[in-house]
Amino acid sequence: GQNIDQPTEMTATEGAIVQINCTYQTSGFNGLFWYQQHAGEAPTFLSYNVLDGLEEKGRFSSFLSRSKGYSYLLLKELQMKDSASYLCAVRDSNYQLIWGAGTKLIIKP
Amino acid sequence: IAGITQAPTSQILAAGRRMTLRCTQDMRHNAMYWYRQDLGLGLRLIHYSNTAGTTGKGEVPDGYSVSRANTDDFPLTLASAVPSQTSVYFCASSAGTSDTDTQYFGPGTRLTVL
Repeated sequence: GQNIDQPTEMTATEGAIVQINCTYQTSGFNGLFWYQQHAGEAPTFLSYNVLDGLEEKGRFSSFLSRSKGYSYLLLKELQMKDSASYLCAVRDSNYQLIWGAGTKLIIKP
Repeated sequence: IAGITQAPTSQILAAGRRMTLRCTQDMRHNAMYWYRQDLGLGLRLIHYSNTAGTTGKGEVPDGYSVSRANTDDFPLTLASAVPSQTSVYFCASSAGTSDTDTQYFGPGTRLTVL
C-alpha cells in the first residue's frame, strides 16, 4: 500500500529553526509537495521537489532523498504566524497526490 | 481574481438527503479535484477530472458523483447522505500542463450529516 508518515505534532520557539520530516512509500514517484494549512483554512502550496537535494525559498527550505524515500521541510526564524499544519504529499505513478496526515506545528513565544 | 470558490461554506444535512457541493474556478485550469479531510487522516481524493467532459474515481468515490460539463465548474453530489460523510470537503484545481502541476485549493465546505 501507499504510505506517507509525518510526526503528528511539533513544538518550537519563536525565532528558532524547526525541521519537519516526511517519509514515504508509494507506487512510483513524480514529485513531492509541501503545503501549509492554517486552522480552518485551505492548504496553500509551499514547495515542490522532484530531484534530490535542497530547494530554498526564503525562510523555508525543502529537501528530498528519493533513494531513502525521505523529505524534510526546514523553517527558519520562526514567527508566530508559522503556527499551522504542514502537509507532505507525493505524486504517484498515476499522477495523483497521496497525502500525509499533516504535522501540527505549535510556536511558543 | 477569485481563484476557486466553493458553496456552501457549511451545511448541516439530514441523513438520506441529496446534496450538491459547488466548485467554480476562474483560472482556466484543465484539472479539478475533490478531496475530503478528516481529523487524523490525510486528504483523500474522491473524484477528479483531467479535462472538461472527463471524470475519474479517486481513493474514496463510493456515495459520491461528479460531472464536468465545462472547464470552470465541478460539482460534487451526495445522492443519499450518511453520517460517515461528515467531513470538510475541498475542491482543488491545477493547470495540468506543467511538470510541477501545483494544485490550488478552494476554501472548503464543512458538511455535517446527522
